[in-house]
This record gives sequence, structure tokens and C-alpha cells, in this order.
Amino acid sequence: GEDVEQSLFLSVREGDSSVINCTYTDSSSTYLYWYKQEPGAGLQLLTYIFSNMDMKQDQRLTVLLNKKDKHLSLRIADTQTGDSAIYFCAESIDNFNKFYFGSGTKLNVKP
Amino acid sequence: GAVVSQHPSRVICKSGTSVKIECRSLDFQATTMFWYRQFPKQSLMLMATSNEGSKATYEQGVEKDKFLINHASLTLSTLTVTSAHPEDSSFYICSAREGGFTDTQYFGPGTRLTVL
Repeated sequence: GEDVEQSLFLSVREGDSSVINCTYTDSSSTYLYWYKQEPGAGLQLLTYIFSNMDMKQDQRLTVLLNKKDKHLSLRIADTQTGDSAIYFCAESIDNFNKFYFGSGTKLNVKP
Repeated sequence: GAVVSQHPSRVICKSGTSVKIECRSLDFQATTMFWYRQFPKQSLMLMATSNEGSKATYEQGVEKDKFLINHASLTLSTLTVTSAHPEDSSFYICSAREGGFTDTQYFGPGTRLTVL
């Protein structure tokens, strides 16, 4: 399978910005996604970026894509305690839209 | 937005029995659905791709006779764990491919299977 990597933990204070990083190996990815998973729940699509874009902003979320370095990041501005969750990056690389997920980054937001 | 449901949300069964999990796309038609397995504190592992009206495609290492997948309609796919054993206990998540411009996947809330 494809190799998608993330750091496992991130801890920030409420109000600060959070930056979650992801690296991938397959340069033929079409879309890259960020999902949020709260305890015991399924995955919630946060945002996605097409592989020919460099940046996408959606309210408090900013996605940066460096295709040359195969590096994807998610910045959450003004992080709130409700943002505490596990964040997964994923890439889709073929016509069947198979997703390959990173290991997930657990974000802990301290009040 | 696109909504995917799963039923049941939790199931406990005895070893040796079979369990069926349903995945439904509620407000869109999904020609392709996917089944994932998630172990505690780990990422999602793709088990199989389910195409409406045809046989599922299984990922390497996934036993197709143990994890039976049926995609009978454009809004329903089922996963049956046959002769379940404690090691099959896991969180099973389905997703449905919406198609359209982004062609993204929407995920169900997951089913927690516990095999005693």
C-alpha cells in the first residue's frame, strides 16, 4: 500500500494555531483530504485539496500542499477545545478512488 | 450534505456466529462503497471495494470468505463477518463514493464489533 505518515500527537493551548503535517509517497495522487474523528465516532470530512493546487482556505482551516516535497499540512486558526480529536490525512490515487490514510494525529487542546 | 449511515452501531456476538453490518447512503446513489477496519488507536485499513452489481475487490491479506460483501443496490452495501472470532473484534467503517466534481468519500459512523 501507499505510505502516508503523520506525527502522532500535537498539543496546543486554546486560541493558538495548530499545524498538523502529513507526508505521502505517491506523486500520482489526485485529491488529498483531511478528516476529523472524535472518540467512538466515524470520520468527518473537513476539507480537501486537488493535487494541482497549492493552498485552500476554508474559514479557520488552511490547507497547504507542497507537491514537490509531497507534504500536506492543515492549519487550524484559533484552536478551540472542541477541535480536540484525531485528524487523518488521506490521498486518493486511482480511478476507483481508493483512499490511503495516515496514522492520524491526536490533537489535544488545553484550556 | 451527503450522509452515510451504518447499522448496527454496536454489536456483541458469541464466537462462531455471523454478524451482518449494513451501510447505506441516505441522500445520494453510491456506485462504489468501501469497507475499512480500524484497530484501537490505529489508522483505517481498507478491506475491500464494493461495486454495485458486481463482486467486491478485496485488499491483499483480507479473507473474502470470511468477510462477505454484498452491494445489492446503489444505496446499500452489507458486510458479513462469518464465523466471528475474538480477533475480529474491531471498529468497522464504511464509506460511499459520491461521484461528481470532487468524487470524494463520505464515511459512516462506524460499527463496533465485539466477539466474546
